[in-house]
Amino acid sequence: SQQGEEDPQALSIQEGENATMNCSYKTSINNLQWYRQNSGRGLVHLILIRSNEREKHSGRLRVTLDTSKKSSSLLITASRAADTASYFCATGISGGGADGLTFGKGTHLIIQP
Amino acid sequence: DVKVTQSSRYLVKRTGEKVFLECVQDMDHENMFWYRQDPGLGLRLIYFSYDVKMKEKGDIPEGYSVSREKKERFSLILESASTNQTSMYLCASRQQKGGELFFGEGSRLTVL
Repeated sequence: SQQGEEDPQALSIQEGENATMNCSYKTSINNLQWYRQNSGRGLVHLILIRSNEREKHSGRLRVTLDTSKKSSSLLITASRAADTASYFCATGISGGGADGLTFGKGTHLIIQP
Repeated sequence: DVKVTQSSRYLVKRTGEKVFLECVQDMDHENMFWYRQDPGLGLRLIYFSYDVKMKEKGDIPEGYSVSREKKERFSLILESASTNQTSMYLCASRQQKGGELFFGEGSRLTVL
């Protein structure tokens, strides 16, 4: 069952600008992860933020988590053409369930040179 | 670096054929997964395995089965392929529950 939902579905910006993507989810989580997928390839893990964390940084990536609003955002600063990809959030559900990790449908990001 | 290898990047099969998709990981991960990815539907979990010879159904197991005879290998089987199983299939592994997933490059299956 789909847990996270990314917004917007598609985003096109100029190189050098910042890109912000959002993820909303429905149930309590243990952690939230962001992944990137280049066209026709597998997903690559970007960053994991735990439910007791509010913000996390990794290079040009900044992730925030608001558990009261059940939402997260991924900010990519100073975007580059190579950032063109689809970005997915995945949630690790509290209590585990069968798997504990479900994906949204993704945000397709295009960086215009 | 962890490597997850899927045996075939592209396959074309006919309706009714039996299809095997193989996945091998080299980091001694206990958990392995099969997802399918379709436009507009995102990633959907087919089956997963917590350990050797163990398997659990995901969200869309119908029409699929799996085999995990060795820790490093997780196979997805389509007993009788149908056109609605045309999709991108992604294998993943992880060290522990809740941890990051490592994905293979995907296998794009077309069933004619």
